[in-house]
Amino acid sequence: DAGVTQSPTHLIKTRGQHVTLRCSPISGHKSVSWYQQVLGQGPQFIFQYYEKEERGRGNFPDRFSARQFPNYSSELNVNALLLGDSALYLCASSSDIPYGYTFGSGTRLTVV
Amino acid sequence: DQQVKQNSPSLSVQEGRISILNCDYTNSMFDYFLWYKKYPAEGPTFLISISSIKDKNEDGRFTVFLNKSAKHLSLHIVPSQPGDSAVYFCAASNFNTNAGKSTFGDGTTLTVKP
Repeated sequence: DAGVTQSPTHLIKTRGQHVTLRCSPISGHKSVSWYQQVLGQGPQFIFQYYEKEERGRGNFPDRFSARQFPNYSSELNVNALLLGDSALYLCASSSDIPYGYTFGSGTRLTVV
Repeated sequence: DQQVKQNSPSLSVQEGRISILNCDYTNSMFDYFLWYKKYPAEGPTFLISISSIKDKNEDGRFTVFLNKSAKHLSLHIVPSQPGDSAVYFCAASNFNTNAGKSTFGDGTTLTVKP
């Protein structure tokens, strides 16, 4: 079985640009969460979606948005990129709230 | 204000010995705790969890202990193996209000020496 897949794996963007990160959960998993991991810190919760509805939002500005599609895949969008948005963005899926999540390998975003 | 703290950034143990990783939390609403392991260039991998109704949970070489009064949990790995060398994250959530949201500590890098 394929695990959680994220694309792209690496990305370099310029300040002020927009970025879209994509996540495909494990087949059958309906819950998807997004986390931001800055170097040297633990993952920080951004969003959680379950059955295409937002179930939770972390302490991130409105420049961050996400959605979940009917096939349970998800997108994370970040507008007006700042240097501080440079991080590893992790997607995690679960068959149901609230058990242990399976994480993807992440997208490394560098903002220059 | 960091609600989940792992005060030891690193830990080094000899192969075959016990590894003890510690985690403290401040939010009394947390009632579900998880440990993840992370290798470089990979996402965190779920290891073991514990609900606040228990004080111990075992899975093979891994045991998690929870002390609610002290708001402290620990992960014991016995015996430690070189393949256990990784970054270990403690995470906490509230099962009823938003269990899909986990608050992570900053991790402890475990090195197991052969």
